[in-house]
Amino acid sequence: DAGVIQSPRHEVTEMGQEVTLRCKPISGHNSLFWYRQTMMRGLELLIYFNNNVPIDDSGMPEDRFSAKMPNASFSTLKIQPSEPRDSAVYFCASSLSGLETQYFGPGTRLLVL
Amino acid sequence: SQQGEEDPQALSIQEGENATMNCSYKTSINNLQWYRQNSGRGLVHLILIRSNEREKHSGRLRVTLDTSKKSSSLLITASRAADTASYFCATDEDGTYKYIFGTGTRLKVLA
Repeated sequence: DAGVIQSPRHEVTEMGQEVTLRCKPISGHNSLFWYRQTMMRGLELLIYFNNNVPIDDSGMPEDRFSAKMPNASFSTLKIQPSEPRDSAVYFCASSLSGLETQYFGPGTRLLVL
Repeated sequence: SQQGEEDPQALSIQEGENATMNCSYKTSINNLQWYRQNSGRGLVHLILIRSNEREKHSGRLRVTLDTSKKSSSLLITASRAADTASYFCATDEDGTYKYIFGTGTRLKVLA
């Protein structure tokens, strides 16, 4: 099993640009989570999908952030326009169900200049 | 304090010693999980303990859960340099999917 796959692993962009982060969950998992990790705020849940449907997006910081899950094997997190304060490591995680062990991807380290 | 707050924030020990980390939380839970994160890497699941369990073992790891005190501890016995990492507890807020991660304990094991 390849585990949760995220791309890109690193992204450097300029303020105002659109950023798209990608995630492929573990096959068979029906829950997917996007997290953001910063030194100041720790690990924050941004959005949770169950069976491809967004269940809770209350953690999405602003309208500049959007997430989609068009099918069971792919999700995207988009930031448009990006700002320097969006610089963080973004993790995707999946689980068999929302209440079980979450398996994390390696993360995308985003730097917005 | 936050849900899933770890204590201490940092811990430095010699190889071979035991390391104990604590986690406190606020709401009722279905389960509590411990994760490890090596520098610059993703989180790795270590152990899950359910609310009706009091203690669980996995290799050199021992986790306890006291729901009356809303606290958990993670014990790593006979620590190794490779155990150097940050350790997080995560609790499902009010028994939902919404896991809240603590701020973590940074463990350094000196060879």
